[in-house]
Amino acid sequence: GQQLNQSPQSMFIQEGEDVSMNCTSSSIFNTWLWYKQDPGEGPVLLIALYKAGELTSNGRLTAQFGITRKDSFLNISASIPSDVGIYFCAGYSSGNTGKLIFGQGTTLQVKP
Amino acid sequence: DAGVTQSPTHLIKTRGQQVTLRCSPKSGHDTVSWYQQALGQGPQFIFQYYEEEERQRGNFPDRFSGHQFPNYSSELNVNALLLGDSALYLCASSFPGLPGTEAFFGQGTRLTVV
Repeated sequence: GQQLNQSPQSMFIQEGEDVSMNCTSSSIFNTWLWYKQDPGEGPVLLIALYKAGELTSNGRLTAQFGITRKDSFLNISASIPSDVGIYFCAGYSSGNTGKLIFGQGTTLQVKP
Repeated sequence: DAGVTQSPTHLIKTRGQQVTLRCSPKSGHDTVSWYQQALGQGPQFIFQYYEEEERQRGNFPDRFSGHQFPNYSSELNVNALLLGDSALYLCASSFPGLPGTEAFFGQGTRLTVV
């Protein structure tokens, strides 16, 4: 089935460093969503993107909707220990607005 | 404002049994979707309910069925459980009548089939 390719698979960084992760698709997406999931919990929505080229921030998080509509990235600035978790990109592909498709996730670990 | 709530939080079932999971959407939301998340994987779409009808379905067998009630709450039923059905089952709700918008997730139900 349709998939999103998310990279990197995991990251181990020092507190205070910036983080970047991205998501690509072989087909066009109309909406990109970024989620964070802690162990044993459901995904929590961080940022939603609806237009190609759109750049949106939420505190230290910034995400962009790629101009080709086939990719998106998420940046976290000045990471802190509570940023630890699994980050998922997700999206609705063109013509398929009911089914949210997820990437495989990026596991982030932050060393104090 | 209560978010998406799911029950139970954990469940252990025997292979071949049937299970029912429940979900109450976020206040004001009328669309409910169900996802299966295997360990170490991203969630996989099972189906979506809107106006008490299944609107879209993912690549899951007929053993997976659902229902939406007039108050927008929903149930996921899985028959003839297999070991491979062990997973975190997530419910998500979204804005009234608008597909393709933000989906808010519950905390999930951890199903273990033994």
